[in-house]
Amino acid sequence: AQSVSQHNHHVILSEAASLELGCNYSYGGTVNLFWYVQYPGQHLQLLLKYFSGDPLVKGIKGFEAEFIKSKFSFNLRKPSVQWSDTAEYFCAVRITHGSGNTGKLIFGQGTTLQVKP
Amino acid sequence: GAGVSQSPRYKVAKRGQDVALRCDPISGHVSLFWYQQALGQGPEFLTYFQNEAQLDKSGLPSDRFFAERPEGSVSTLKIQRTQQEDSAVYLCASSTPGQGVDYGYTFGSGTRLTVV
Repeated sequence: AQSVSQHNHHVILSEAASLELGCNYSYGGTVNLFWYVQYPGQHLQLLLKYFSGDPLVKGIKGFEAEFIKSKFSFNLRKPSVQWSDTAEYFCAVRITHGSGNTGKLIFGQGTTLQVKP
Repeated sequence: GAGVSQSPRYKVAKRGQDVALRCDPISGHVSLFWYQQALGQGPEFLTYFQNEAQLDKSGLPSDRFFAERPEGSVSTLKIQRTQQEDSAVYLCASSTPGQGVDYGYTFGSGTRLTVV
């Protein structure tokens, strides 16, 4: 079965530190890839997505992610984090094969990021 | 409205009680998804509707779970004879296919169900 793995469960950084959150998926075919963020008390919001083309995608709030097909990875990065980036981050995959593809997302278990001021 | 609305925001149920969770998707959104998010986990797919048709219910954990979307807009997720393992946040998301590859999902804030 397809799965998504996020290696870091809880990350603590100081402001201005660089961030990289790992995401790997298990599926050999074509996928769409997403990163979502959930701020405390709020709903899931899309940070960025990759469908095709340039494997380096830029999202909102200075986040970016790189799709490396050979490594089945889609790691999230930010050069300099802020206290307001404290949130939970979810990587998700959508399988894009054939008819009957419902568009459902398969999520990783999430990474809690705590940024210290 | 501008977003996906879910109600109630919180629900406490006694074990064995039936519950109904409501989702109001964004007006005009064809696709509607339900996800279950247990504590400390990522959301897990439950079921999918395209308009009023339930096209995928492969994620429903048991026959105690039932979802409907009779008029292709509002959806209700019903859980019968709730058990403690049903405690989770239930998320609804809607999207509009047909906009090419760039369609997105809008999530609601979820209903936190606690079974005691």
